Amino acid sequence: RKEVEQDPGPFNVPEGATVAFNCTYSNSASQSFFWYRQDCRKEPKLLMSVYSSGNEDGRFTAQLNRASQYISLLIRDSKLSDSATYLCVVNMGTALIFGKGTTLSVSS
Amino acid sequence: GAGVSQSPSNKVTEKGKDVELRCDPISGHTALYWYRQSLGQGLEFLIYFQGNSAPDKSGLPSDRFSAERTGGSVSTLTIQRTQQEDSAVYLCASSRTGKDEKLFFGSGTQLSVL
Repeated sequence: RKEVEQDPGPFNVPEGATVAFNCTYSNSASQSFFWYRQDCRKEPKLLMSVYSSGNEDGRFTAQLNRASQYISLLIRDSKLSDSATYLCVVNMGTALIFGKGTTLSVSS
Repeated sequence: GAGVSQSPSNKVTEKGKDVELRCDPISGHTALYWYRQSLGQGLEFLIYFQGNSAPDKSGLPSDRFSAERTGGSVSTLTIQRTQQEDSAVYLCASSRTGKDEKLFFGSGTQLSVL
């Protein structure tokens, strides 16, 4: 089983749509989780951390399910500017491990 | 500068040559990571430095790859006897204290091995 797995997509949605990404991880002892965003040919940038109780930042909601070892990212009211690759990141106890990313394309 | 700086931004080399990639982390950041990203792929973890601790080298793909961090600041990633499959973007990131902190990435070094 790969350490951090994501559906690569692409997810093609119209503006205003709600879209959700899931990510599964292999190490049940992992303690910290993040979502990063990467635009084409750019470096990744932190979108949000994922807390056990779930957390929300504007249109973005992140949730953690420790029992099933997955985290999710929900984007509401999608904007054209949300088009990017979303990377799930998990602290595996030794280093931060990135998933391969899920590509989102929002169209008008 | 205020951000993570990597040099060179682009490197073209011939198969079999050695290359050195440099990373200047944000001043005061104790944690430093190297990742590589092949075209259309995710980030592959290479090595992690945390303060004065022994680095986590578990991601280095072969003994042709090595990295050091001098004085707890600048890091150099060395690839010996480069192969075509080493072609990728090599990304460096730093964080204030460790792996639970936000990572700040440099713009990367695009390595092309001909």
